[in-house]
Amino acid sequence: AQSVAQPEDQVNVAEGNPLTVKCTYSVSGNPYLFWYVQYPNRGLQFLLKYITGDNLVKGSYGFEAEFNKSQTSFHLKKPSALVSDSALYFCAVRDIGNNNDMRFGAGTRLTVKP
Amino acid sequence: KAGVTQTPRYLIKTRGQQVTLSCSPISGHRSVSWYQQTPGQGLQFLFEYFSETQRNKGNFPGRFSGRQFSNSRSEMNVSTLELGDSALYLCASSLGTEQGYEQYFGPGTRLTVT
Repeated sequence: AQSVAQPEDQVNVAEGNPLTVKCTYSVSGNPYLFWYVQYPNRGLQFLLKYITGDNLVKGSYGFEAEFNKSQTSFHLKKPSALVSDSALYFCAVRDIGNNNDMRFGAGTRLTVKP
Repeated sequence: KAGVTQTPRYLIKTRGQQVTLSCSPISGHRSVSWYQQTPGQGLQFLFEYFSETQRNKGNFPGRFSGRQFSNSRSEMNVSTLELGDSALYLCASSLGTEQGYEQYFGPGTRLTVT
């Protein structure tokens, strides 16, 4: 079965600094990888995904993520953090060719301080 | 387009009772997935439906069941409620599964079991 690990429960960065939220995965087949964000009292919102092709994918709100097959990682990045980026971030993987269901990481709480 | 809607938004039930939650996907989406979100366990996959067929099922007891109707609307049912079933239940819809389509989440139903 596939699994997703987000090794950091909490990430703190200063506004204007670059941010990274880490994600590693384990699958039997090919991975489809996703990042979602959850703001307080709101549902999850899709940020970006990697299906195939270019390892660097760009998504909403200036976020990007790099797929690294050898390290089985899909870290979320943003060059310059905003206070409004503070939220709960989830990495997810769908194990294509295996059981196909979507599995989410435990989430990382990002706090951007002014 | 209207987003994913879930009803009811809040629910309070007593142990031993049963509950039915409803989800209306985005128009044109044929896949609906259900997740349980709790502070301790994070987002856990319950099941996924596509064109009225259950495609995948997570590791939950048989008390948890679901179905999808011909108009893609979905319901999930939990019988013989336990205190541990208190959680936010999220529904997500997408165009499909294996093609790597992203999921769009509803606001959730907050279930409290007393």
